[in-house]
Amino acid sequence: EAGVTQFPSHSVIEKGQTVTLRCDPISGHDNLYWYRRVMGKEIKFLLHFVKESKQDESGMPNNRFLAERTGGTYSTLKVQPAELEDSGVYFCASSQKRGYNSPLHFGNGTRLTVT
Amino acid sequence: GENVGLHLPTLSVQEGDNSIINCAYSNSASDYFIWYKQESGKGPQFIIDIRSNMDKRQGQRVTVLLNKTVKHLSLQIAATQPGDSAVYFCAETLPNDYKLSFGAGTTVTVRA
Repeated sequence: EAGVTQFPSHSVIEKGQTVTLRCDPISGHDNLYWYRRVMGKEIKFLLHFVKESKQDESGMPNNRFLAERTGGTYSTLKVQPAELEDSGVYFCASSQKRGYNSPLHFGNGTRLTVT
Repeated sequence: GENVGLHLPTLSVQEGDNSIINCAYSNSASDYFIWYKQESGKGPQFIIDIRSNMDKRQGQRVTVLLNKTVKHLSLQIAATQPGDSAVYFCAETLPNDYKLSFGAGTTVTVRA
């Protein structure tokens, strides 16, 4: 089966610009998560979708970040306007269920650099 | 190679030796723990997990130990291989939450 795919793999933008990251989860996985790792620190939770519904967005840093999952398939994460501190690696993960026997499968991430 | 009892950001180990990676987790209410391996340019990859009602679980060449008394988790890798070079993260979740809280990560380098 195809894994979680993320696009682009790298993005370099200037402060104030807009960037949209895309995540395609594993087919059939209702649960989709966004995480990010900033400046070599811990990987931090951003938000969680169940199908097209936002289940938990407690990790979203501010209203410059907007995540969508229209139709419950792929998801996008838009940063507008981007700031320097948004630089980092953004990971998407999916799981079939929520629980002990349904581990998260991560994509390879999008490395975002804001200059 | 071992970072005994403490979390250290790096660990260098000789090929063929056993590795022990330590992690101190933050929340005594966490009931599910996972170890992930992240290779350069890739996302975290699931290695092994353990629930709080267990204190040891074994996989292929890996063993996870959980000490709830001191909120300590360790990952043991037997006969470390060059392909084991990566960053290793521990993660914890609260009951009925399943939102992962990751540790800082340990970079393991295997010497030939």
